[in-house]
Amino acid sequence: DGGITQSPKYLFRKEGQNVTLSCEQNLNHDAMYWYRQDPGQGLRLIYYSQIVNDFQKGDIAEGYSVSREKKESFPLTVTSAQKNPTAFYLCASSVGGALSTDTQYFGPGTRLTVL
Amino acid sequence: GNSVTQMEGPVTLSEEAFLTINCTYTATGYPSLFWYVQYPGEGLQLLLKATKADDKGSNKGFEATYRKETTSFHLEKGSVQVSDSAVYLCALSEKGGGADGLTFGKGTHLIIQP
Repeated sequence: DGGITQSPKYLFRKEGQNVTLSCEQNLNHDAMYWYRQDPGQGLRLIYYSQIVNDFQKGDIAEGYSVSREKKESFPLTVTSAQKNPTAFYLCASSVGGALSTDTQYFGPGTRLTVL
Repeated sequence: GNSVTQMEGPVTLSEEAFLTINCTYTATGYPSLFWYVQYPGEGLQLLLKATKADDKGSNKGFEATYRKETTSFHLEKGSVQVSDSAVYLCALSEKGGGADGLTFGKGTHLIIQP
């Protein structure tokens, strides 16, 4: 089955620790995205990548970092600089390309709780 | 900048009732419009989409029509079921490729009572 996987589903970390969230897709999509979801605020874009070895900041990139070394993988690191990291994190991918009317497909999400 | 406004819930209906969830948007160009559904503790599933004015997206009994004149994309269903209980999110993508990410509304929590 093709799809997007995120692991783990639940993650607990102590304050001040960096943590990396995994996102893998086998849809052969070029573009990948990270969103953060908080109650009552909808989803907000953290980072996105249109192609391997390239990525761009979204609306709320401060305190986060990403890498895109492989087409199928787009890990997100939540650093200790992120002031309020507890949230539900969603990864998505799309075919990509500036001229297509893309649909984004989402993974199941990782709920991060910082204690 | 772009924005999406949708009615906030929770919206509580009885089974077989008619559903409307309002969604309006602000964009500088010609966006594509989407409705996603999110079940508790899960990621988002695409419900339907429309890419140009007057297009109607439909899936699983849900419909939404892209209205450029009113900048709206309201979600409707004629007869809801308990299994439709979920959070519904309206979103837009202004650039054709969606490469800059989607802009989401805050989501509407729908509760269907038997």
